[in-house]
This record gives sequence, C-alpha cells and structure tokens, in this order.
Amino acid sequence: EAQVTQNPRYLITVTGKKLTVTCSQNMNHEYMSWYRQDPGLGLRQIYYSMNVEVTDKGDVPEGYKVSRKEKRNFPLILESPSPNQTSLYFCASSGQDSSYEQYFGPGTRLTVT
Amino acid sequence: GENVEQHPSTLSVQEGDSAVIKCTYSDSASNYFPWYKQELGKRPQLIIDIRSNVGEKKDQRIAVTLNKTAKHFSLHITETQPEDSAVYFCAASRWDSNYQLIWGAGTKLIIKP
Repeated sequence: EAQVTQNPRYLITVTGKKLTVTCSQNMNHEYMSWYRQDPGLGLRQIYYSMNVEVTDKGDVPEGYKVSRKEKRNFPLILESPSPNQTSLYFCASSGQDSSYEQYFGPGTRLTVT
Repeated sequence: GENVEQHPSTLSVQEGDSAVIKCTYSDSASNYFPWYKQELGKRPQLIIDIRSNVGEKKDQRIAVTLNKTAKHFSLHITETQPEDSAVYFCAASRWDSNYQLIWGAGTKLIIKP
C-alpha cells in the first residue's frame, strides 16, 4: 500500500529538549516536504527536499532542521523546541509518477511546554 | 513571492445546495492550482486540480474554474452532502516546482441537514 508514515503521532515535550519526527514514504517520490498547520494560518511549508542530499528552506524554517540521506526518509529535527513550535505537523511526498499530487502523512501533534 | 488568499473562512450551506470557495493569487507565473480537502482529524487529500492551460475542470459534483486575467480560481461543489463537510484548501505554484505550493488559509464548509 502506497503511504507516508510519521512517528510519533503525538508528542508532549518540554522547552529545549531535542526531538526528531520521522517521515517515510514507500512511493519512490523525489520530493518531500514538511508543513506545520495552525488554526487560521493554513499549511505553511517548513522545509522541502527535491532529492537525496538536496534540501531547501520553505516559508517558516526558523528553529527546524531536516536531512535527506535516503530517498524514502525525511526527518524533521527540533534542536531546542520552544512553545511557539506547538503545532500539527505534516510530512508530504510527491513525484513525477503521481503527477505531483502531494501525499500527506497522518500528522504529528506536538505540544511544547 | 506568491500569496494566496482564500474566502470565505467559513461557509455554511443547506444540504443539497451548492457551495463556492474562491481564491486569488498574486504571481502571474503560477500555473498549477490544486484543491485539497481535510476532514476532521485527517490528513489533507487532493480532490481536484487545474493547470493554467484550461479554464474549467469537472469531476462529478466538483468543479474548478480559473480566470488567469483576474488571477483567481474557484471550487464549486453542487448537490452538497453531509460528507462534504470539511476544511478545503486552495494552493498555487508553478508546475515545474509544485513541491513549493503556496496555500490559502482554508475554508471550513459546514453542510446543514
């Protein structure tokens, strides 16, 4: 089954404690993105990747890091989380084979206290 | 850069009536306009998209229209049903870089029985 998976689905943490949210896709997609979703603000892109070892900033990259060492994985790293990073996070992938439709993961609800 | 505005933020319609959601974009180079539906607690999913070489596209009860001159596009849902209740997002990008979608803030569609 074609899918994008994210882990964990829910996470409560404290300010400053480093965390990683994993994202994996099994569709051999070239492109992967991270978004955060906040009420009234829609989806805002944090980082995107066009292929292995190729990443770039989206609209709201401050406080986040990413890496793309393998085509299927695109983890999101918060080195020192702060309360303003409390949000719902989505990973998405797309590729030429899917006519660039973005396939979203199930989301990760992050709370930073 | 591109900016996408979406209206209304909330739309309530009687079951069986039609619903229209409108978006405007700022970058005349944008040529790809998808619409995503997000049901409560779920991930966004593509429902229809249009490229700038056509003015209208239909898929059963949903249709999207595009006015390139005015730089706006709209989602039309006819004969609304309870399962149409969701948040709808429009987005815009250039086709050759549609991993960099710019999203509208979303419209919450409520179908009244």
